[in-house]
Amino acid sequence: DIQMTQSPSSLSASVGDRVTITCQASQDISNYLNWYQQKPGKAPKLLIYDASNLETGVPSRFSGSESGTDFTFTINSLQPEDIATYYCQHYDNRLLTFGGGTKVQI
Amino acid sequence: QVQLQESGPGLVKPSETLTLTCTVSGGSISRSSYYWGWIRQPPGKGLEWIGSIYYSGSTYYNPSLKSRITISVDTSKNQFSLRLSSVTAADTAVYYCARLPYYYDNNDYRFGAFDIWGQGTMVTVSS
Repeated sequence: DIQMTQSPSSLSASVGDRVTITCQASQDISNYLNWYQQKPGKAPKLLIYDASNLETGVPSRFSGSESGTDFTFTINSLQPEDIATYYCQHYDNRLLTFGGGTKVQI
Repeated sequence: QVQLQESGPGLVKPSETLTLTCTVSGGSISRSSYYWGWIRQPPGKGLEWIGSIYYSGSTYYNPSLKSRITISVDTSKNQFSLRLSSVTAADTAVYYCARLPYYYDNNDYRFGAFDIWGQGTMVTVSS
């Protein structure tokens, strides 16, 4: 089975900072990696699909990229409303797996 | 627009079967481009995919839960359901239903991302 390692598990940043979260796959997963935002008490919301594609309606300060088996999620210029937990999610052979999550605080 | 709504009991006794239903509105569950899935989240913890179903009844389950799960679909009611048997306190969680695009890519069919979610329903397992 492919293992996904998401890091860090939490981070603290200031408004306006650039925030980076990574998910590392144990083997090649093509671009089958999605990113979600979850605010307390709410359902997750899709932000990025297929590693780098911005979901419709999502602000452009959110972005995703890939380099081999390493996937990066970036918030350019952190806003107060971005306080949330972010999850990566991988698809492989009809099985879906979420990363452990990264809690972003100010 | 498509909306999903979970329903079911909020309290289930240990060893019993948890049953939840997701009602899809604003679109047909029989649309060929989508699977429909269940995801859960224990209090204070991360997300766990439970399983997914196509309108034809084709299913994929999380191997760690497969022996206790049944996901079914009722196209006449535009609903799909989750049954989880022999529950324990470890099954206490918020349960979400979500839509999962399914499409042809690189000479094979594959899943996309969960693009529409229900609000979630809390299920507590306790006597």
